[in-house]
Amino acid sequence: DAGITQSPRHKVTETGTPVTLRCHQTENHRYMYWYRQDPGHGLRLIHYSYGVKDTDKGEVSDGYSVSRSKTEDFLLTLESATSSQTSVYFCAITAFAGRNTIYFGEGSWLTVV
Amino acid sequence: AQKITQTQPGMFVQEKEAVTLDCTYDTSDPSYGLFWYKQPSSGEMIFLIYQGSYDQQNATEGRYSLNFQKARKSANLVISASQLGDSAMYFCAMRVSMDTGRRALTFGSGTRLQVQP
Repeated sequence: DAGITQSPRHKVTETGTPVTLRCHQTENHRYMYWYRQDPGHGLRLIHYSYGVKDTDKGEVSDGYSVSRSKTEDFLLTLESATSSQTSVYFCAITAFAGRNTIYFGEGSWLTVV
Repeated sequence: AQKITQTQPGMFVQEKEAVTLDCTYDTSDPSYGLFWYKQPSSGEMIFLIYQGSYDQQNATEGRYSLNFQKARKSANLVISASQLGDSAMYFCAMRVSMDTGRRALTFGSGTRLQVQP
C-alpha cells in the first residue's frame, strides 16, 4: 500500500463544467503523475510533478491543468469538461528519481455527459 | 521516438501452464526501466516486476519473470503455473525521459490474459 487516495472515485458531470480530481498521498513522495486510461490506448500521461509548485505537461495535457501546493496533494482540473475527457484517471507516485517502483492509486471514473 | 508495443490484444492459457506476454520497446536513452503491471477487472493497477536497462540478470518476482533481451529490445513477461486469478489485463511500461529531461512512464496498449480451468 503506497498510501495513495484518489477522490472522487466516480463522478458524472455535464459538458462545460469544471471538474477537479484530487490525489492525496501520505508518505511524502516527491514525484506524482496523472494518467488517463482509454480503451486501446493503455495509460497516457497528462501532467506530472517533481515537487511543490513544480509541474510539467505530459503527452495529452490539452484541456487539463494541475496544481501542487502541498507535497501530499496533486490536483487535476478539467477547466471545461468535454465528452472526450470521459475516462478513467489514475494518479501515480514514485518515491524518488531512479526508484524502481511506481505505484498507482485506485482510479477515478469520470463521465462527461 | 520512445514507444512500447504489445502485439497480443488477447491471450488464452490453461491453468497451471506457463504463458509469455510480449513487449517490445524503442528508445535512444541508454538508461531506462521496464515495468509490468496487472489490471484486474476491478480496475486497480498492480505493480508486478521491474527491469533496469543495466541489470545483468533477468528480474524475477515469485511466479513472474521478465525475459529481457536488450539487443532485440524486448521485455517479455513470463507467468509460470498460471492461476485463475491471473486473468487480467497486463501492461508493459517503460520509464523514459520527457522533453524536460525528467522521467515518466509510457505504456503499451495492453494484453488481456484469460486463464482457463
